[in-house]
Amino acid sequence: EAGVAQSPRYKIIEKRQSVAFWCNPISGHATLYWYQQILGQGPKLLIQFQNNGVVDDSQLPKDRFSAERLKGVDSTLKIQPAKLEDSAVYLCASSPGYSETQYFGPGTRLLVL
Amino acid sequence: GENVEQHPSTLSVQEGDSAVIKCTYSDSASNYFPWYKQELGKRPQLIIDIRSNVGEKKDQRIAVTLNKTAKHFSLHITETQPEDSAVYFCAARANFGNEKLTFGTGTRLTIIP
Repeated sequence: EAGVAQSPRYKIIEKRQSVAFWCNPISGHATLYWYQQILGQGPKLLIQFQNNGVVDDSQLPKDRFSAERLKGVDSTLKIQPAKLEDSAVYLCASSPGYSETQYFGPGTRLLVL
Repeated sequence: GENVEQHPSTLSVQEGDSAVIKCTYSDSASNYFPWYKQELGKRPQLIIDIRSNVGEKKDQRIAVTLNKTAKHFSLHITETQPEDSAVYFCAARANFGNEKLTFGTGTRLTIIP
């Protein structure tokens, strides 16, 4: 079975610019997660979708971050405008349901200059 | 919310020796504890998990133990090999509602040939 796909793999932008990341979960997985992993730390959940509905976005900086999963499959995460502290790896994960094993994508490494 | 602490942050062991990584959690409602392995520049991959109705689980050279009373769980790797070198993350989650997975800060394990 194909794994979680993410693009781009790397992105370098200047502060105050905008950036968007894309995630395609494992086919049939209803739950999709976006994590932020700052260097030397564990992944931190930003937002969790169940199909196309938001389950948890309590740790999403909503003044600059947004995410959507309009058709309940692919998802995009956007940062506008980016700050230096947004430099991190953004990981997408999916699971069949919200209480089941999460499978991670390869991540997008973002560097904000 | 849940808080997961992980120790040590770095660990070096001779090839063939055993490695032990320990995590503590704060939420007594947590009942699912996965361990992820993340090689440099790659995605986190689930290597073993344990649920609170089990005290120990083994999979070949890897084992996880859980002490619910003390709220801690540990990863044990025996007969370590160079390919075990990676960063290991523990995590905890309550398995009801939409409780999120909370990760520890990671342990960088280096196997010395």
